[in-house]
Amino acid sequence: DMQMTQSPSSLSASVGDRVTITCRASQNIDTYLAWYQQKPGKAPNVLIYDASTLESGVPSRFSGSGSGTEFTLTIGSLQPDDFGTYYCQQYNTYSPTFGQGTKLEIK
Amino acid sequence: EVQLVESGGGLVQPGGSLRLSCAASGFTFSAYWMTWVRQAPGKGLEWVANINPSGSEKYYADSVKGRFTISRDNAKSSLYLQMNSLSGEDTAVFYCARAKLPAAKYNWFDPWGQGILVTVSS
Repeated sequence: DMQMTQSPSSLSASVGDRVTITCRASQNIDTYLAWYQQKPGKAPNVLIYDASTLESGVPSRFSGSGSGTEFTLTIGSLQPDDFGTYYCQQYNTYSPTFGQGTKLEIK
Repeated sequence: EVQLVESGGGLVQPGGSLRLSCAASGFTFSAYWMTWVRQAPGKGLEWVANINPSGSEKYYADSVKGRFTISRDNAKSSLYLQMNSLSGEDTAVFYCARAKLPAAKYNWFDPWGQGILVTVSS
């Protein structure tokens, strides 16, 4: 089974900071990777798909990179509204899998 | 407006059954793969099952295989999840979600429903 491992599991950062979250796949998934943001009590919202394509309407401070087994989500300049939990998801197989999540707190 | 609305959740005893529904609107439901994803309290996202546009192809997570059945009614633009032999480990918010692109089997999910809580407890 495909495993997705995110790091760190949580982080705290200040407004204006550059934040990077990493996602590793247990097998090659090419660029079949999406990133989501989830706020408490809400459904996830897609930020990035195909590893590096910004979803329409998502602020340009969000960016994604990587291919194969190693991926990163970067927030260029952290804003107060960026708190929440971030998940990566692979869609290279019929059984999509999510990373365990990275909880981002604003200092 | 593209919208997914889940219903049918609630409290059920261990060993019991429940059927979730997801009403879709604002898009051609019969053109998309659909998915159920769940999230246990305080935990991460777990894919549960997905189904192809015609309903002829279905896949399940190992954790629910043999107990849950995904189905759809394209005439009613509705997705279903029949859940049997429920245990406390099935307590979660269940989301229905659509593949982003029509006919795409391997895809990210957008949009998602608001989620519905299923609690398995005596």
